Formats: sequence, structure tokens, C-alpha cells
Amino acid sequence: QVQLQQWGAGLLKPSETLSLTCAVYGGSFSDYYWSWIRQPPGKGLEWIGEINHSGSTNDNPSLKSRVTIAVDTSKNQFSLKLSSVTAADTAVYFCARGGVLSHYYGMDVWGQGTTVTVSS
Amino acid sequence: EIVLTQSPATLSLSPGERATLSCRASQSVSSYLAWYQQKPGQAPRLLIYDASNRATGIPARFSGSGSGTDFTLTISSLEPEDFAVYYCQQRSNWPRLYTFGQGTKLEIK
Repeated sequence: QVQLQQWGAGLLKPSETLSLTCAVYGGSFSDYYWSWIRQPPGKGLEWIGEINHSGSTNDNPSLKSRVTIAVDTSKNQFSLKLSSVTAADTAVYFCARGGVLSHYYGMDVWGQGTTVTVSS
Repeated sequence: EIVLTQSPATLSLSPGERATLSCRASQSVSSYLAWYQQKPGQAPRLLIYDASNRATGIPARFSGSGSGTDFTLTISSLEPEDFAVYYCQQRSNWPRLYTFGQGTKLEIK
């Protein structure tokens, strides 16, 4: 049974850097891509970016290079940093398991979500 | 970037009825089309991948169909626990990006 557990600071001031970590328990870490997704209050889902075990990343161009996703294979963890946050970055942030390296079977395992609020 | 448009925005039905949710893409997508269910305060739950394959543990009343630009999620006979928000999602290959539709809220009539 694969489980994702995520954590990070929940209250930030404008211009600060959001930092979240997601730990993977069970299953294979190296066979998958690992994603970050966010959901502003009352709105839909937005994909932020993904990483695999070798550190290869893809991210959403709409976030204008504010995103840094990193991996720590020794701990089966991956992390998200989002710089220069504004109120528009207020959202619930989820980590999720994406497809295997050779195929996309959907995001089948999700973290519990972390509420991040940006306010002065 | 491929845009996914879901319709209707809200669907009001009664338990036992059939639900048909639509997802239309701005251009042809690969088979990498998935559907998710989300209830308040919860993470999304994968229902369908590859447009028509049910994820592990998903009841047979959920089915997906479609190809190209038009996809459908059908719930054959609604159970009380099916009332939620549903999202479609696609993954493009070049560039490698994921986009979600804006969601369809399935509410009890």
C-alpha cells in the first residue's frame, strides 16, 4: 500500500518562498514520476510540475520559472519550492504519484494536501 | 497548451439515474486522458485512465469512453456517494504537460 505524506509551512507573507516536502512510503520510488498539484479555494486543480528519481523535471510554464522541484532518493522524498509568492498562490497543495516512466496511468496515489495561505 | 472544457458545469440528478459528463479538448489528445472524483476536503481519486480503463477498486458503474477531442464519463446508476466534483485531465507528450478541466459538480436533485 503506497502512501504519500506531505508537510510544510502553511502561512507565508508575500514575496516569501513556499516550501513543501512529500514522503513516499511503500512501493517503488524509481519507477514513477511524482507531481505537485494545487487547488485555490473553491476552484479547480492546477498541475505545478513533476520529477522522477533521476531528477528530471517538467513544470507548468504558467508559473514562470518560480518553481523548483527536487528529489532525495535516499529518503524517497520529493519537494516543491515556489518563490515570490503572492495571494494568488493561496491554495491546497497536493503531491501525487504520476505514471510509470513509460506510460501514464493517471495520478493514482495522493497526499493528504497542505493548505498554504499567503497573507501580509 | 491543450485546454479541456467540461460540461455541464453542474448536473442535478437523483440516485439511481444515469449521469453523463463530457470533456472536450481544444485539440486532439493522446490516450492519456483520466477522470477523477473529488469530495469536499479530500484529495482527488482516480477513476479512469487511458480514457476507458477503470482504476483499481473503482466500481463497474463508472465507465469512460471517447478519443481524439471528445471524452465521456458515464455513471450508470448513481449511488448517494457519487455526488461530488469530477475532473478530466490529459497529459501531452511534447511538451510534457498535464492539464485539468474546470470540473463538473454532480449534485443531488
